[in-house]
Amino acid sequence: AAGVIQSPRHLIKEKRETATLKCYPIPRHDTVYWYQQGPGQDPQFLISFYEKMQSDKGSIPDRFSAQQFSDYHSELNMSSLELGDSALYFCASSLGFRNEQFFGPGTRLTVL
Amino acid sequence: AQSVTQLGSHVSVSEGALVLLRCNYSSSVPPYLFWYVQYPNQGLQLLLKYTSAATLVKGINGFEAEFKKSETSFHLTKPSAHMSDAAEYFCAVRYFQGAQKLVFGQGTRLTINP
Repeated sequence: AAGVIQSPRHLIKEKRETATLKCYPIPRHDTVYWYQQGPGQDPQFLISFYEKMQSDKGSIPDRFSAQQFSDYHSELNMSSLELGDSALYFCASSLGFRNEQFFGPGTRLTVL
Repeated sequence: AQSVTQLGSHVSVSEGALVLLRCNYSSSVPPYLFWYVQYPNQGLQLLLKYTSAATLVKGINGFEAEFKKSETSFHLTKPSAHMSDAAEYFCAVRYFQGAQKLVFGQGTRLTINP
């Protein structure tokens, strides 16, 4: 069965640079969620989209923005990167915003 | 605030022994509850979920969990541990009232001793 695809899987950036993470949900899934997992920490919810509209927002820094496109894929844009942004970023998708979330393999971002 | 607490950041059991990972949630209204497993450098895989149907939920890899409203608990168990069960386990909660996000516990690292 098709799963959630995230790209790139690994990303290395310098401080103050920008990064774009992409998420391709499971076909027919209309809801996308982004989570951030710092080293040794539990995943923290950042933001979610349902039918291309932002549906919920968590502890996402103002330096970050995200959107969901017409084909339902989503991009998380991160600017002015800081060392503390180094983390594993997960995308999850669901069919409808009240159904089970399926997680992608994550993008590991390292900020030097 | 919505929260979930996992008792014990590290649990170590012998191969073949009972696995018990504890999870408690804070809410007067029973939420949806989930257990996820994360292997090193991998994503989150759903083990099982409680969505207000049967209180005893069976999941993959021989795991099961029992929802106890009176104790606000959703502990994860497996009768006989296998070496391949070594991983990080996260309990997560999602509430009915419009919330979509998952709130995760702090995680429990399970180690299996040969």
